[in-house]
Amino acid sequence: AQSVAQPEDQVNVAEGNPLTVKCTYSVSGNPYLFWYVQYPNRGLQFLLKYITGDNLVKGSYGFEAEFNKSQTSFHLKKPSALVSDSALYFCAVSLPGGYNKLIFGAGTRLAVHP
Amino acid sequence: NAGVMQNPRHLVRRRGQEARLRCSPMKGHSHVYWYRQLPEEGLKFMVYLQKENIIDESGMPKERFSAEFPKEGPSILRIQQVVRGDSAAYFCASSPNQDGELFFGEGSRLTVL
Repeated sequence: AQSVAQPEDQVNVAEGNPLTVKCTYSVSGNPYLFWYVQYPNRGLQFLLKYITGDNLVKGSYGFEAEFNKSQTSFHLKKPSALVSDSALYFCAVSLPGGYNKLIFGAGTRLAVHP
Repeated sequence: NAGVMQNPRHLVRRRGQEARLRCSPMKGHSHVYWYRQLPEEGLKFMVYLQKENIIDESGMPKERFSAEFPKEGPSILRIQQVVRGDSAAYFCASSPNQDGELFFGEGSRLTVL
């Protein structure tokens, strides 16, 4: 079965430190990969996506993600965390030609401490 | 340009009642998706509609759930005879085309007593 795993329920990081939120996937073919962020009682906001090309993708708010095909991973990173980055982060995949039928991970809560 | 609008934002129903959730896509978007988020879980795909047509409903429960996207007006997700397990946040998203970026609404939170 096709799935997305976010192995950490929560990530804690001090403000100013680099952050990483992990994501691995099990999907046949060459999937499209996404990161979304959700603030309390809000909808999801798009951060970035990987379709093809450079393995390092830059997105909104200073976030970036690195695609690693051999490890089937797509970890989200930011060089210097802000308190305002505290939110719930979701990794998702879709299949080429599969329109926007996204498969989401369970989410990782990021807490950035002052 | 207003974003994806969902209403109601919060809905409380008793077991056996009906719930209707509405979604107005972004202007110019004719592709609508419904996702469900259970507590402490990621979003799960329910249905994909394109004006007046259901394209993929593989994520919809077989009974009690239905969706439509009429030529005029918002998309409707209808849940008949609700049960406590239907309590969740229901998110609508729209896109301008089949592979375009998804824009999510703020969700409708259904509580079944």
